Order: sequence, then C-alpha cells, then structure tokens
Amino acid sequence: LAKTTQPISMDSYEGQEVNITCSHNNIATNDYITWYQQFPSQGPRFIIQGYKTKVTNEVASLFIPADRKSSTLSLPRVSLSDTAVYYCLVGYPYNQGGKLIFGQGTELSVKP
Amino acid sequence: DSGVTQTPKHLITATGQRVTLRCSPRSGDLSVYWYQQSLDQGLQFLIQYYNGEERAKGNILERFSAQQFPDLHSELNLSSLELGDSALYFCASSVAGGRVQETQYFGPGTRLLVL
Repeated sequence: LAKTTQPISMDSYEGQEVNITCSHNNIATNDYITWYQQFPSQGPRFIIQGYKTKVTNEVASLFIPADRKSSTLSLPRVSLSDTAVYYCLVGYPYNQGGKLIFGQGTELSVKP
Repeated sequence: DSGVTQTPKHLITATGQRVTLRCSPRSGDLSVYWYQQSLDQGLQFLIQYYNGEERAKGNILERFSAQQFPDLHSELNLSSLELGDSALYFCASSVAGGRVQETQYFGPGTRLLVL
C-alpha cells in the first residue's frame, strides 16, 4: 500500500541545521520527489525537487539515496521565519493507485 | 503571490447542498490540480486536468466532479455535501502535464464549512 511518512513535528533553534526525512516505499521509478512549505492559511509553496543523489538550491538541499525509499530535506541555518509545516510529495505507480501522495507534514518550530 | 487565483475565499453552506469552487491557473500553465486539506486527512490529491482532459485521479469522491474549460480555468463541483466535507480546498497549476511531477503553484485556497 502506497504511503508517505514523515515525523509529525520537530523543534530547532535559530542558526541550526534541520533535517527532515520522508519515507516512501515503492514510489514510481520515473518520478521526482518534491518538498513544499506551508504557512498557516496559505497554500503550499515549492521548496526543492529531486530524482536521486543530492540537489541544492538557494534555500535547501535534498538528499535521496540510491534505493529512493526515503528522502531528506536539509534546511541550513534556520531562522524564526522557517517555522512552518513541511510536506514531501511523491508519485506512485499506476498499479498502486498511480497518484500523488503527500506526507502528513512535519511541523517545524524554530525557537530563538 | 503564486499567480493562481481561487474563488470564493470562504463558503458556508448546509448539508445536502451543492457548491462550485473556481480556479484560474497561472498564465501559460496547462495543468490544474485539486487538493483537499482537512485536519484528520492532511493534504489529499483529488484530481488533475491537463489542457481540458482528465490526467490523473486521486481520492475524489463520486459526489465530487471537476472540469477544465477551454480558457484553462477549472471548477470543482461538490454535491450532496456532508459535514465531513468541511475543509480547505486548494487548486494548483503547473506548466505541462507529464507523467512525472512538475513544480506546482498553489492558490490561496477556498475554505468550505458545511453546517
């Protein structure tokens, strides 16, 4: 059964690096893994997307091992404004529903 | 501002009623996605349209239907509403509609309350 799993919550302090892992068995072999950020009362916002190994942009890095059964979003030196809910989004093969499944979201709380 | 617009922002209705949610994608985007977000179910993918055609289906109930018009705006119709349909409904758009994920741009959402 297709399932995308993340920790429900994480706490951090300003300036620390935060790593959030998402587990996703049996994802579609040709699909990407995408991470979104959501603030209260707003729609999710794209952070980063990758297929395998490591991807880095100006706000985050994404690490995907060779078996692609998990992915880790890394936020360097978080600030208070990074307090939000972070979601991974994964596509599954058609014989497992062939659909997009969000993880349940990780609520990140950054403290001063 | 993502460039995706959704109307109305808020909607209050009664059980058994029917409502229509509207979405206008970013200029140039051909795909529209609909999602439902509730406290107990999280973000659930409902359906995707690409250039007027249904491309992928998720956990969309039979009481719900959607369509994408020639001008690429989309409507999500919810009928025989139940209390459990109360949720935030998001629309997102992307440039194309391939078999692999693209960056999706989400609208601000429509908050539906069924009393």
